[in-house]
Amino acid sequence: EVQLVQSGAEVKKPGESLKISCKGIGYSFTSYWIGWVRQMPGKGPEWMGIIYPGDSDTRYSPSFQGQVTISADKSISTAYLQWSSLKASDSGMYYCARRSAVAEYFDLWGRGSLVTVSS
Amino acid sequence: DIQMTQSPSSVSASVGDRVTITCRASQGISSWLAWYQQKPGKAPKLLIYAASTLQSGVPSRFSGSGSGTDFTLTISSLQPEDFATYYCQQANSVPLTFGGGTKVEIK
Repeated sequence: EVQLVQSGAEVKKPGESLKISCKGIGYSFTSYWIGWVRQMPGKGPEWMGIIYPGDSDTRYSPSFQGQVTISADKSISTAYLQWSSLKASDSGMYYCARRSAVAEYFDLWGRGSLVTVSS
Repeated sequence: DIQMTQSPSSVSASVGDRVTITCRASQGISSWLAWYQQKPGKAPKLLIYAASTLQSGVPSRFSGSGSGTDFTLTISSLQPEDFATYYCQQANSVPLTFGGGTKVEIK
């Protein structure tokens, strides 16, 4: 089955670092861009950035540039989203999603990783 | 950034009703628009892309139309499994942006 498997929920304190993961299964991981999307409770999704695992070419939304780092390890078909110093405002649901072959649409989504940052 | 504005923010409807949701872009995006369905506790699901192309496996009661700045998603005959929140997303330029959502509720 084609799927994106995300790491589990995390509870962290402000200032801590975090790296969440997204493993692609059942398709050629290096042939599709993987995006990261944040969704706050009751709000629309927000596009954070995207990476091409084939060569690690990465693009960021200006809103998230410098706040997070997107990376990938193609040898294990896994993409990552990481923070070096979390803030309470980073709390939310984070989805990875596969960019379609057609254009900047997302045709396959992970189940999401819930990040809670609280002192 | 291109702003995506959906209306209404919520709609109450009955099974069998025809439901229309509107999405407006702050600037022209040709047909670079997608619609997603999201149910509580689940990830969004792609329904329509390129404004009017149905994603594989999506029921034909869903349809999309529009180009430029104004788009619509229509559910021709609402089914129980269609009660969810719907989002539009522009794919014209980065940063990609989504609308604020339209919640379709049971009347």
